[in-house]
Amino acid sequence: KAGVTQTPRYLIKTRGQQVTLSCSPISGHRSVSWYQQTPGQGLQFLFEYFSETQRNKGNFPGRFSGRQFSNSRSEMNVSTLELGDSALYLCASSFSSGGLSTDTQYFGPGTRLTVL
Amino acid sequence: QQQVKQSPQSLIVQKGGISIINCAYENTAFDYFPWYQQFPGKGPALLIAIRPDVSEKKEGRFTISFNKSAKQFSLHIMDSQPGDSATYFCAASDNNDMRFGAGTRLTVKP
Repeated sequence: KAGVTQTPRYLIKTRGQQVTLSCSPISGHRSVSWYQQTPGQGLQFLFEYFSETQRNKGNFPGRFSGRQFSNSRSEMNVSTLELGDSALYLCASSFSSGGLSTDTQYFGPGTRLTVL
Repeated sequence: QQQVKQSPQSLIVQKGGISIINCAYENTAFDYFPWYQQFPGKGPALLIAIRPDVSEKKEGRFTISFNKSAKQFSLHIMDSQPGDSATYFCAASDNNDMRFGAGTRLTVKP
């Protein structure tokens, strides 16, 4: 069974631009979560989607948004990029119909975003 | 924001030794406590997880000890191997939120 895939793996953008990251979950998984990983703040939960609906949201500004498609694939968008948005963005998928603590999350390799 | 405190930041252990990483959480609503292992260039991978209705869970060389009253839990790696060298994250979650510790960089010397 293929794992979680994320594209692109690396991305360089400049301040003020916007970016879209993509995540394909493991086949059969309907929950997709996004996380930001930085050396300073560590791993932080961004949001979770289930059945095309945002089910949970972390403490991030509205510049960070996402969506999920009917095939469970998910995209994350960051608008008006800031230098501090440079991070590894991780996507995780699970069967979970009950929420973040219900089922094992499987992480993808991440997208390394650099904002110049 | 930080609701899970993890220590130590880094740990060096000899091959065959025991590695111990500790975490403490604040939110008593958390009901799922996983540990993740992350190698450079890879995403975190679930190592072992526990729920608060048990005090200990063992899987192979990995054991979680959980103290609900103290709101603390720890990971023990027995017979540590050089291949265990990685960064370890504890986490705590409920259905709506997941918080991570800052990570522990483990180095196992041969």
